[in-house]
Amino acid sequence: DGGITQSPKYLFRKEGQNVTLSCEQNLNHDAMYWYRQDPGQGLRLIYYSQIVNDFQKGDIAEGYSVSREKKESFPLTVTSAQKNPTAFYLCASSITGGGSSYNEQFFGPGTRLTVL
Amino acid sequence: DAKTTQPNSMESNEEEPVHLPCNHSTISGTDYIHWYRQLPSQGPEYVIHGLTSNVNNRMASLAIAEDRKSSTLILHRATLRDAAVYYCILRDVLSNSGYALNFGKGTSLLVTP
Repeated sequence: DGGITQSPKYLFRKEGQNVTLSCEQNLNHDAMYWYRQDPGQGLRLIYYSQIVNDFQKGDIAEGYSVSREKKESFPLTVTSAQKNPTAFYLCASSITGGGSSYNEQFFGPGTRLTVL
Repeated sequence: DAKTTQPNSMESNEEEPVHLPCNHSTISGTDYIHWYRQLPSQGPEYVIHGLTSNVNNRMASLAIAEDRKSSTLILHRATLRDAAVYYCILRDVLSNSGYALNFGKGTSLLVTP
């Protein structure tokens, strides 16, 4: 089955530790995205990548880092510099990252990160 | 991208139609109107999108006002599985920021038996 996988579903870390969240897609999509969601709030964009080896900061990139070495993978690292890392993290992908035609975003199941 | 305004919550009875409104008075001519929904503890899923004309698909219908300053997502027959947060999002097709979407707080739809 084609789709987006995020692992693990729940993640606990001690304060001050870096943690990397996994996002893999087998949809052959060029573009991938990371969003953060806090309780009762909408999604906020952290980083996005329109093509391999390229990525751009979103609205709340401070304290996060990403890499895009492979088309199917877009891992997100939550660093110790992120002041409030506890949140629900969602990864998404779309066929392309630009152009005039609309491309639906497909979302993974999310990773709920709790920093103790 | 232009901003949207949605009610915080709505309630519907099962098997009745639901009309979810969205105001977007500052919409530009190149903004597409998108609707996504998010079930509890899941990632959002695409529902429908449109530019000027009304749109129908297997999940819902999208009615767009003639001046495009508002739109309505119509669920023809609500089921308990339709209980979710519904997001109305505008996206400028000419934007250079990929297809990143600006999710507001959306409308939380409660469906009662």
